[in-house]
Amino acid sequence: EAGVAQSPRYKIIEKRQSVAFWCNPISGHATLYWYQQILGQGPKLLIQFQNNGVVDDSQLPKDRFSAERLKGVDSTLKIQPAKLEDSAVYLCASTPQGGVEAFFGQGTRLTVV
Amino acid sequence: GQQLNQSPQSMFIQEGEDVSMNCTSSSIFNTWLWYKQDPGEGPVLLIALYKAGELTSNGRLTAQFGITRKDSFLNISASIPSDVGIYFCAGHNYGGSQGNLIFGKGTKLSVKP
Repeated sequence: EAGVAQSPRYKIIEKRQSVAFWCNPISGHATLYWYQQILGQGPKLLIQFQNNGVVDDSQLPKDRFSAERLKGVDSTLKIQPAKLEDSAVYLCASTPQGGVEAFFGQGTRLTVV
Repeated sequence: GQQLNQSPQSMFIQEGEDVSMNCTSSSIFNTWLWYKQDPGEGPVLLIALYKAGELTSNGRLTAQFGITRKDSFLNISASIPSDVGIYFCAGHNYGGSQGNLIFGKGTKLSVKP
């Protein structure tokens, strides 16, 4: 079974530029999460999708972050414009319907300079 | 919001020694999970606990779900060099459509051969 796929693995951008990350969850997993992990911290939830609907985006900085999962499969997370404090690893995870255990991708390490 | 306190923050031990780490919360959780994260990778699930008082093993790893539902611990017996990494606890409660995971800040484990 293929795991959660994320791309790119690394990205370096200047502040005020925009960036997008892509995630393809494990096949059949209904729930998809985007987490932000700042160096030295645990992952923090940004947004949770159930199929193509948003379940929880309470911690998403909506003035600059957006995410979509239009067909209920893969998802993109966008930051526009980026700030220095957005430097972090962005992790995508998925769970099967009714499941609790989240399976993570390798993450995208973003550096904003 | 809910916060998880993990301790110790870091450990430096000799190969072959046993390791113990724990996680506490001011709130109760329905499920506790333990993840390990290697450098440059996403977290990988080690053990999931579903009932208060539950004790579960996975090879050299043993974890317990505290009776109060506000804590959990993870033990690693006879540590080996590949145990090096950051260990995260995560608590889960059902909310919205499915709920999500709250992570601790991690325990960094270093093993000296």
